Amino acid sequence: EDQVTQSPEALRLQEGESSSLNCSYTVSGLRGLFWYRQDPGKGPEFLFTLYSAGEEKEKERLKATLTKKESFLHITAPKPEDSATYLCAVQAGDTGRRALTFGSGTRLQVQP
Amino acid sequence: GAVVSQHPSWVICKSGTSVKIECRSLDFQATTMFWYRQFPKQSLMLMATSNEGSKATYEQGVEKDKFLINHASLTLSTLTVTSAHPEDSSFYICSARSWRDSTDTQYFGPGTRLTVL
Repeated sequence: EDQVTQSPEALRLQEGESSSLNCSYTVSGLRGLFWYRQDPGKGPEFLFTLYSAGEEKEKERLKATLTKKESFLHITAPKPEDSATYLCAVQAGDTGRRALTFGSGTRLQVQP
Repeated sequence: GAVVSQHPSWVICKSGTSVKIECRSLDFQATTMFWYRQFPKQSLMLMATSNEGSKATYEQGVEKDKFLINHASLTLSTLTVTSAHPEDSSFYICSARSWRDSTDTQYFGPGTRLTVL
């Protein structure tokens, strides 16, 4: 069974204080690892897809990396508007299942 | 690009009534859409996979007769909650599968908040 574990559950940062969010996974042949941002009462907003170990992607203050067992979302010099829940999800390749399995998310709060 | 809409954004209904939620991919065609449910402070739980022109595939524990899914076109899937009860109150979110630049990505709608009285 595919599993995704995110840590920490919640994170409070000061504006400008860089940090990393962790996503550990077990999956039957990773087809893709996805990062989404979700604001309260809204649907998830797509950020990145990573496909193979060693891959990195960046968008503004966010950088996602992938190893064979985990992914990190690095947030550099965060701003209050980066406050949200960040969700990690995996898509299995071996089973042909295309639905995503989500982690429980990391609630990030960036204080001014 | 890759915009997904949902309608309504929120709905309040009486116990025993049925509610239909629409999910549309606005600028792309989606042969596959997914329906998720999210309870407060919890992550998204897949309910079913909706395939255009064929029957939906339901996750274990999800009653297919209660949550009716119809994927009538390449841009529209509907979820009907039949005979809704207070325990069905939740945040329902759909996603649509898109192939862009040879990447397989799911884009999510804004969600529908269902409250059953």
